Amino acid sequence: ELKVEQNPLFLSMQEGKNYTIYCNYSTTSDRLYWYRQDPGKSLESLFVLLSNGAVKQEGRLMASLDTKARLSTLHITAAVHDLSATYFCAVGSGTYKYIFGTGTRLKVLA
Amino acid sequence: GAVVSQHPSWVICKSGTSVKIECRSLDFQATTMFWYRQFPKQSLMLMATSNEGSKATYEQGVEKDKFLINHASLTLSTLTVTSAHPEDSSFYICSPLLTGVETQYFGPGTRLLVL
Repeated sequence: ELKVEQNPLFLSMQEGKNYTIYCNYSTTSDRLYWYRQDPGKSLESLFVLLSNGAVKQEGRLMASLDTKARLSTLHITAAVHDLSATYFCAVGSGTYKYIFGTGTRLKVLA
Repeated sequence: GAVVSQHPSWVICKSGTSVKIECRSLDFQATTMFWYRQFPKQSLMLMATSNEGSKATYEQGVEKDKFLINHASLTLSTLTVTSAHPEDSSFYICSPLLTGVETQYFGPGTRLLVL
C-alpha cells in the first residue's frame, strides 16, 4: 500500500528566506504532483513530475523528483507572504489513482 | 485548463437529511470522476471513482450505501450523502480524469456542515 509523507507538517518562515518541503513515498510510482491549497479553497496544480531527475520551476518555487530515493522536494526561494498556503504532494498509484501527502502548512511572516 | 464546477459550494443541513452534490465538467467530457473528502486541516482522501454508465468503485472504509454516486452523463457526476450526520461534515471535492493530460484538475469543492 502506497504511503506518502511530507515534512515538515508546519513551516513558519521569514520573508526572504529559503526552505525545502520534502515528500517521501513508499512504493514505486511514475508520477508525482505538487498542489497548493489556500484556506477554504480547492487545489491549484503547481507541478507535474514524470521522470527521475525531473526539475521544474515556476517563480520562487522549484520541484524535483528522485524516483530511486522515492523523494520529491519543493524548494522555496526568497519566500514572500503570498506563498502562505498549504502544499500537498500527490503520488500516482496504479493507473489513475493518486495518494495525497499529509500536507505542509506554510506561513511566511513579513 | 479544464473547467470544473460544483454545486452547491456550501450547504448546511440537519442530521438525518440527504444532500446531493453536483460536479460538472463544463468544457470537456469526463468518463471518470474522482471524489475526494477533506476534513479540516487534513489531507485529501479518495472516496470513490465513478465511471459514466457503470457503478462507482469505492475505497476501503467508504460506505457505498451512504455515499451514493451517479455518473449518468459525460459532463455530470453526483455524490449524495444519505442520512447525513455531523461526522460527515467535510469539504468534498471532485476531480475529472482527463486522459492524455498530465495536469489533474479539481472542482472548487463543496463544504458540508451537518448540524
